[in-house]
Amino acid sequence: RKEVEQDPGPFNVPEGATVAFNCTYSNSASQSFFWYRQDCRKEPKLLMSVYSSGNEDGRFTAQLNRASQYISLLIRDSKLSDSATYLCVVNRLDGYNKLIFGAGTRLAVHP
Amino acid sequence: DAGVTQSPTHLIKTRGQQVTLRCSPKSGHDTVSWYQQALGQGPQFIFQYYEEEERQRGNFPDRFSGHQFPNYSSELNVNALLLGDSALYLCASSLGQGGETQYFGPGTRLLVL
Repeated sequence: RKEVEQDPGPFNVPEGATVAFNCTYSNSASQSFFWYRQDCRKEPKLLMSVYSSGNEDGRFTAQLNRASQYISLLIRDSKLSDSATYLCVVNRLDGYNKLIFGAGTRLAVHP
Repeated sequence: DAGVTQSPTHLIKTRGQQVTLRCSPKSGHDTVSWYQQALGQGPQFIFQYYEEEERQRGNFPDRFSGHQFPNYSSELNVNALLLGDSALYLCASSLGQGGETQYFGPGTRLLVL
């Protein structure tokens, strides 16, 4: 079993739709959580960190449930420019900063 | 403020050859991590360098080695290339060993024929 699991997608949604991505992690020692965005043939870029209290950045909302070891990302009012692969990432912070990535969920927003 | 840079951008090698990839961290950062991203997969941690030493290693064979220089730049070396080494190699920099936020370079796309 992979340490970080995500829906593989692809998710094909129309502009303006709301889309939710789910992610689970298996190592309870994981301490930090992130969503990264990766455009085709580009490097991953940090979208947002995820906190137990939940956090929001404009149209994006991230939630963390430590008891269930579950992370989510909600995108409201999807734009064409949101089309990308979304990577769920955890970090154990056991003295080192080693990111563990999920395989990513691909999102395609169409007109 | 220069971000993370990597060279070369693309590389084609044949099986059995050796390759060296280079990375310059973001200004002010002292820690460099290397990741391998195969097609359709998320990046996988190879190793991390801090204070010119390899501090942590992922599940990669000894064919993968690295180095960090006094100016914090880093090299990734892969010996005896296999077809399966074809991937995007990403370098990420951060501040300190425990620095949470990692910034990625554009990557080097390696094709092994």
